[in-house]
Amino acid sequence: DSGVTQTPKHLITATGQRVTLRCSPRSGDLSVYWYQQSLDQGLQFLIQYYNGEERAKGNILERFSAQQFPDLHSELNLSSLELGDSALYFCASSVARDSLYGYTFGSGTRLTVV
Amino acid sequence: ILNVEQSPQSLHVQEGDSTNFTCSFPSSNFYALHWYRWETAKSPEALFVMTLNGDEKKKGRISATLNTKEGYSYLYIKGSQPEDSATYLCASPRVVSNYQLIWGAGTKLIIKP
Repeated sequence: DSGVTQTPKHLITATGQRVTLRCSPRSGDLSVYWYQQSLDQGLQFLIQYYNGEERAKGNILERFSAQQFPDLHSELNLSSLELGDSALYFCASSVARDSLYGYTFGSGTRLTVV
Repeated sequence: ILNVEQSPQSLHVQEGDSTNFTCSFPSSNFYALHWYRWETAKSPEALFVMTLNGDEKKKGRISATLNTKEGYSYLYIKGSQPEDSATYLCASPRVVSNYQLIWGAGTKLIIKP
């Protein structure tokens, strides 16, 4: 157990639907990062939150949004889902804001859009 | 170089042999260099974060060195074991990306028993 909790582990949904992925960071970590890993692709950075505020955005689609709550857990909302959104979504946390310390990754949520 | 590059892309090593692979990164405005191990069906696991030129870090049979002036880092595995089979990723945060990690494509290491 890395200390980063992601739920659910698996999710199957239909095109056009909306889903919410949840991440609880490791205790003491203030930064939460969301990554997408599509089939045979590397880690694609989506978005970072630090202590409740958006810190940086990567290649995140407009149909996707995220937030970090006062208790530091984060949710990634994916809407109007398309087949191409099927992927493994990782959450990672870190104590710092600027990637000066290692990331702790959760076990991921595998999303399948049918 | 503008991106983080890793070589080789894949590597087959006999059990018991030692091996090493390379991560190249932009040397200008260097901030930090991360190494991760990513086993199949698991999530990436942090190995090292290095910040100082000439730094060397060690974790069991795995060690890493850093040359920030020329922009490269080596990862060494001594006496490879089957459990070392994984993809090894390096990444470097960049100022231009607001300190987000720029990831290499990884070196896939396969240990042959």
